[in-house]
Amino acid sequence: DTEVTQTPKHLVMGMTNKKSLKCEQHMGHRAMYWYKQKAKKPPELMFVYSYEKLSINESVPSRFSPECPNSSLLNLHLHALQPEDSALYLCASSQEETGSYGYTFGSGTRLTVV
Amino acid sequence: KQEVTQIPAALSVPEGENLVLNCSFTDSAIYNLQWFRQDPGKGLTSLLLIQSSQREQTSGRLNASLDKSSGRSTLYIAASQPGDSATYLCAVRDGNNRLAFGKGNQVVVIP
Repeated sequence: DTEVTQTPKHLVMGMTNKKSLKCEQHMGHRAMYWYKQKAKKPPELMFVYSYEKLSINESVPSRFSPECPNSSLLNLHLHALQPEDSALYLCASSQEETGSYGYTFGSGTRLTVV
Repeated sequence: KQEVTQIPAALSVPEGENLVLNCSFTDSAIYNLQWFRQDPGKGLTSLLLIQSSQREQTSGRLNASLDKSSGRSTLYIAASQPGDSATYLCAVRDGNNRLAFGKGNQVVVIP
């Protein structure tokens, strides 16, 4: 298995809702990432987990809450989002946080906040 | 801070022509460089990974070169096809274990 799987593919949520994005990989990678991508822009790093511990938080608002329950799974919990949070959310993984062997990205979750 | 620039931002070519996409970066102290393809509204698909010690990598019709000292990489796609239409992103892993992305080359191959 050489894939990063993200669910759901599409999500529409109201500003008072709570929802979660899920990311899974079975490549034995020990680093996992959340990126946010707006239209026509490159991906922006949000969070990095290394060996299931939060390694980097790029000053992301607290309405985004990451969780890494085990080495294969990464969640992003969403609460009280704003319309400007609408974007494509990408999960990625790498063997180690050093990224020496490159990064594998998932197909993304298209989030719309109404 | 590492800055990555991709030129041209957009290009259209007739089917069968070779594509040349350029990526430049400001800090030559990179660990590796990765080219990705992104279709509209989709995730990133890895095309080629070049380590800092390598000069080029090839996969099928794709060839990527790296000149670390001058801060440049070029992605060549031979004999382009309409299915090659996509945005191509260059990403550099810097010394802070972060990926610095360019804004992409948006490619349209005209049948």
